[in-house]
Amino acid sequence: EAGVAQSPRYKIIEKRQSVAFWCNPISGHATLYWYQQILGQGPKLLIQFQNNGVVDDSQLPKDRFSAERLKGVDSTLKIQPAKLEDSAVYLCASRSAPRQGRWNTEAFFGQGTRLTVV
Amino acid sequence: AQTVTQSQPEMSVQEAETVTLSCTYDTSESNYYLFWYKQPPSRQMILVIRQEAYKQQNATENRFSVNFQKAAKSFSLKISDSQLGDTAMYFCAFMKQDDKIIFGKGTRLHILP
Repeated sequence: EAGVAQSPRYKIIEKRQSVAFWCNPISGHATLYWYQQILGQGPKLLIQFQNNGVVDDSQLPKDRFSAERLKGVDSTLKIQPAKLEDSAVYLCASRSAPRQGRWNTEAFFGQGTRLTVV
Repeated sequence: AQTVTQSQPEMSVQEAETVTLSCTYDTSESNYYLFWYKQPPSRQMILVIRQEAYKQQNATENRFSVNFQKAAKSFSLKISDSQLGDTAMYFCAFMKQDDKIIFGKGTRLHILP
């Protein structure tokens, strides 16, 4: 089973520029998460999708961040314009839907995109 | 709101020793899951062990075991016979049914040769 794929692995941009990250979850996984992990901290949820619908985006800075999940498969996260404090690792994770009433708990993570804003 | 607290920012132990990482959490939910994730320098978050809140028996996965104290809202990870490959960041995490995963700030663990 292929894992969660993310690209690019690294990105360096100047402040006020825009950037986009891409995530391809495990095939068939209905739930997709984007997390922001600032150096030395735990991951913080930015947005959670269930298929192509947004479940939780309460911590997404909507004035500059946007995310979409077309057709309930791949997802992109965009920052426009970037600020210095956006420097972080952006992690994507996916989890399958419950089967036969059983709650599936294991989320699979990609290797993340390290963003540096200078 | 749920919170997860890891009070040990960094720990070091000798290879082959046993080490315990602490975690406390706060929730009003009765049914939830707790996890320990490992994040090596490659940044890939790897699930180490999970515990279902309604199960009293502590989860065990080979050298990894947990001490789950539901009333105290405590969830510690014990690593036995530690190996150099265990060196990583360890995150305690909480999830209620079909919801987001909330992480603690992490504990950086160094296994010394």
